Amino acid sequence: DAGITQSPRHKVTETGTPVTLRCHQTENHRYMYWYRQDPGHGLRLIHYSYGVKDTDKGEVSDGYSVSRSKTEDFLLTLESATSSQTSVYFCAISESSPGELFFGEGSRLTVL
Amino acid sequence: QQQVKQSPQSLIVQKGGISIINCAYENTAFDYFPWYQQFPGKGPALLIAIRPDVSEKKEGRFTISFNKSAKQFSLHIMDSQPGDSATYFCAARASSGSARQLTFGSGTQLTVLP
Repeated sequence: DAGITQSPRHKVTETGTPVTLRCHQTENHRYMYWYRQDPGHGLRLIHYSYGVKDTDKGEVSDGYSVSRSKTEDFLLTLESATSSQTSVYFCAISESSPGELFFGEGSRLTVL
Repeated sequence: QQQVKQSPQSLIVQKGGISIINCAYENTAFDYFPWYQQFPGKGPALLIAIRPDVSEKKEGRFTISFNKSAKQFSLHIMDSQPGDSATYFCAARASSGSARQLTFGSGTQLTVLP
């Protein structure tokens, strides 16, 4: 299995609070992605990174920001969480753009 | 705007039967069509993929059929087993541009009855 660790795996928070999800990889892959998974919508790309400090927006980036200060870490931040951001968040990595994606096990976020 | 439409949303098949999941796309510039398999509580994992220059690809019990003119592709699971019970996602990748990211279908939850 690809070395991808997401933390936290589960989080419950209240509307308006900031939340940061962390993705850590040990594969030294260049590309990293954050997706959200919701019933009926499949997987939707939030943001992705193509190198340290190089990031770009995906399909559903509003309300989210990301940072990548090291190759191995990709952070997803919800500055002020809303109930519509209740979802399962997946980090993925790939060597090429995009080749095969390797996914983490997900972080389930509930915003009350 | 959903560029990859997947059906059915759920599918129940008897053990030994054939499972068929269909996807249709709108963007003719897609050049890579993977299928991902996801078990409960896990992240998706690549199952099989095809490029549009071939009409079929088979790996074990899993086959992708691709119809470029109809802009459709499908996953066939032969001799379906209870262990195949999972959610399946089709996806497509643009052939050029800065956003060569995968666009996923909405997923199909497959249940194979013993």
